Amino acid sequence: DTAVSQTPKYLVTQMGNDKSIKCEQNLGHDTMYWYKQDSKKFLKIMFSYNNKELIINETVPNRFSPKSPDKAHLNLHINSLELGDSAVYFCASSHVGTLQFFGPGTRLTVL
Amino acid sequence: QQPVQSPQAVILREGEDAVINCSSSKALYSVHWYRQKHGEAPVFLMILLKGGEQKGHDKISASFNEKKQQSSLYLTASQLSYSGTYFCGTEIIDGNQFYFGTGTSLTVIP
Repeated sequence: DTAVSQTPKYLVTQMGNDKSIKCEQNLGHDTMYWYKQDSKKFLKIMFSYNNKELIINETVPNRFSPKSPDKAHLNLHINSLELGDSAVYFCASSHVGTLQFFGPGTRLTVL
Repeated sequence: QQPVQSPQAVILREGEDAVINCSSSKALYSVHWYRQKHGEAPVFLMILLKGGEQKGHDKISASFNEKKQQSSLYLTASQLSYSGTYFCGTEIIDGNQFYFGTGTSLTVIP
């Protein structure tokens, strides 16, 4: 059973489009995260979220928004996609302050 | 606020040792260590929660110097399977944010 899953695995789209990436965890964790990994392999946290608090990295454009329908899901919506959004996006989950389990990643390519 | 890792890259022969350092400009609550193989997701190695704590995992161990706001990852008698990019992750005391370090590419050759 996959602990943290993401869909789609690959996403190719045109500039200006709106897209979503889904994330689900079956570990019973209370905190979920979204990370962006660029071509230089830097892992940058975008959001961390539990049922009490959403913490946003201030450098993330407001075109990106997390949506959590329930504790097991944290989806990432991206509006008006730009070329610079191309990257691998990882979802992760944990109990707050403990080790994080990562999803397999979604490779987003904006043309 | 992103912690800085050193070295940026290292190449080892099987059986050699390596140390990867992680330095933060902020006081730290915890340090995590992860390894990411090419094309895969990061995988958790260990977490250190107390100053001075050292943890071990097979031949991989780590230390956490709270005062210096630093952590080091020690890989002894390296194996080919150790190859990958190593990231530290830090939770700062003043605030509720988690940041990954700049990464260290480690390559073990026969």
